Formats: sequence, C-alpha cells, structure tokens
Amino acid sequence: DTGVSQDPRHKITKRGQNVTFRCDPISEHNRLYWYRQTLGQGPEFLTYFQNEAQLEKSRLLSDRFSAERPKGSFSTLEIQRTEQGDSAMYLCASSLDRTTNEKLFFGSGTQLSVL
Amino acid sequence: AQSVSQHNHHVILSEAASLELGCNYSYGGTVNLFWYVQYPGQHLQLLLKYFSGDPLVKGIKGFEAEFIKSKFSFNLRKPSVQWSDTAEYFCAVNSPNLGGSQGNLIFGKGTKLSVKP
Repeated sequence: DTGVSQDPRHKITKRGQNVTFRCDPISEHNRLYWYRQTLGQGPEFLTYFQNEAQLEKSRLLSDRFSAERPKGSFSTLEIQRTEQGDSAMYLCASSLDRTTNEKLFFGSGTQLSVL
Repeated sequence: AQSVSQHNHHVILSEAASLELGCNYSYGGTVNLFWYVQYPGQHLQLLLKYFSGDPLVKGIKGFEAEFIKSKFSFNLRKPSVQWSDTAEYFCAVNSPNLGGSQGNLIFGKGTKLSVKP
C-alpha cells in the first residue's frame, strides 16, 4: 500500500500523559497536513508543512501541541499533558504541490482516547 | 469565519433512488469546493472538486455537484444510488482570498448515507 500511513491506529492514555503520533505521507508528496475530527463533526485543520517547514498553524493548536517534519518526509504530532477534550481522531493528509488543483490524500487516522 | 452547513445528518434511501445532499457555505468571495467520501472502515477520499469554469462538476462513481454562487450552495447528486454508496459524505471549502494553504479546508459535519439493498 503506497497511501498515507499513520501509527498507531488507536491510543488510549491517561489524562496528563504525553502522546506522539506518526504520519508517513505518500513518498513524493511535499505537503503534509494534520487534521482533528471529533464525533459528529467534520475534520478540522490543525497545521500544514511544506517540506520540513511548518507554514501554517490553526488556533486549535494550543501550546500543548507540537508537530514536526524534520526531513520533509514523515511527521510527528505530540500532545503534552493530555486532557479529555483531546480525545479525537487525528488525521494526516498529504498532497503534491504540482498544480493549483490540490487533492488531499488522507490516512486512516489515529484514534486517541484520554481517560 | 467561513462555515459549511450540511443539512442532513443521516439519509436513508433504497437502491435506485435519486440522491441529493445539500451543502451551503458562508463566504461570499472566490471559493474552491470539494466533496469527500468516507466508506465504512476506509479513509477519506476525494469525490469531486470545483475550482472554476463549468459549475456542474462530475466526479467518480457517477456523482456530480452543482455550484450555484447566488445560493452559496454546492449540492451533491446521483441519479440512482447503489448499496455500495453507503458512506459518510463531507462537503468542504477553502478560499484563496483568505490566505492559508490550499489544503486548509473547512469541512461540514458530514451526512451519513445508508442505502438499503
């Protein structure tokens, strides 16, 4: 499978713990996005990377959240001191900056449950 | 702030029925519009998109959508649904005039479609 992969698929943690998720985009894609989706809602944009540069961050991305894409390939999203409100599906998407008709390819997501 | 409204939370149809899912957005300027679909157990995937030109857009699997600027709408249609169309459908929008990346999409809450065989 050469799509976007995310790891882990599920994460259960206790409130106050730190968690880290990984996203591997499609190999030639230079753009990478993180979204969050809660029950009954559509995905909400969190942040965007072009290669290794983080170019855009949503107001939803509080100081407890940090994302990196160190070599312009895979990306990690870390949540520090998790809260119950962080429980959500975290989606990664990638795209190729070749045309203006950008198509996002989504991964299957990491489901986070904070107890 | 931009917003996207999808009027129906859950739609139940029999096979061969016609489908129309509503989508309205709030921004009055230039917009790019999308429909994404999530089949059970699968990831989100693009169904169709509108950037400019012909307001009637055709996508995969016989779906189409019509952009009506005066109504701020981008409704999804299919003349005859199949059981395999059972999925959740998300309308999304972005605007090049508001800054932000092209992949910074505002999604609606989604509409679940159940097609009875």
